[in-house]
Amino acid sequence: GAVVSQHPSWVICKSGTSVKIECRSLDFQATTMFWYRQFPKQSLMLMATSNEGSKATYEQGVEKDKFLINHASLTLSTLTVTSAHPEDSSFYICSARDLGTGTHYEQYFGPGTRLTVT
Amino acid sequence: DQQVKQNSPSLSVQEGRISILNCDYTNSMFDYFLWYKKYPAEGPTFLISISSIKDKNEDGRFTVFLNKSAKHLSLHIVPSQPGDSAVYFCAARDHTYSSNTGKLIFGQGTTLQVKP
Repeated sequence: GAVVSQHPSWVICKSGTSVKIECRSLDFQATTMFWYRQFPKQSLMLMATSNEGSKATYEQGVEKDKFLINHASLTLSTLTVTSAHPEDSSFYICSARDLGTGTHYEQYFGPGTRLTVT
Repeated sequence: DQQVKQNSPSLSVQEGRISILNCDYTNSMFDYFLWYKKYPAEGPTFLISISSIKDKNEDGRFTVFLNKSAKHLSLHIVPSQPGDSAVYFCAARDHTYSSNTGKLIFGQGTTLQVKP
């Protein structure tokens, strides 16, 4: 149980285009999902907290107009990188909390999406 | 300001021996600590956690120790196996952020290599 999927697993796009990354909880409902970014050999940096049916909460320094987050259902959150630039190239990971069976602090992570902007 | 620090970027141990991964933190408002294991190009997987009111939690080969006075925790893996080779992240929950959302703050990670 508690499986989180991400799609796509990797994507290459041209500078100036937009890319959408999907995060799904496959066997549980998640009212809260988190989006992280990881640079090579660095920690997971929380970008935003995605709440079903409401606006996402962004961390300081994260541009909300550039990283659009939508959490339209209890099993799906999307991250859209708008007008992508090479500096947006990174590994993006989502996580979700299983309110049904999980603890109130444990998060289940997706496999991540490797974004390369050329 | 790095609130959760893993000062050793890498650790190499022999199969069968003990692996000790360390983590230091600065925020006294952290109430839960977690260890995650991560393989390249994959998301982290949960290993073990500990509440701030405890000083030890054990699960099979994995034991986490918490020293609140020193703001230090460690993960012990005994015996270490080659399959344990991965990046290990220490994470902490800041309950002042929101007890509902459960924001986690991660350390930089320690790459563990277990040699056969």
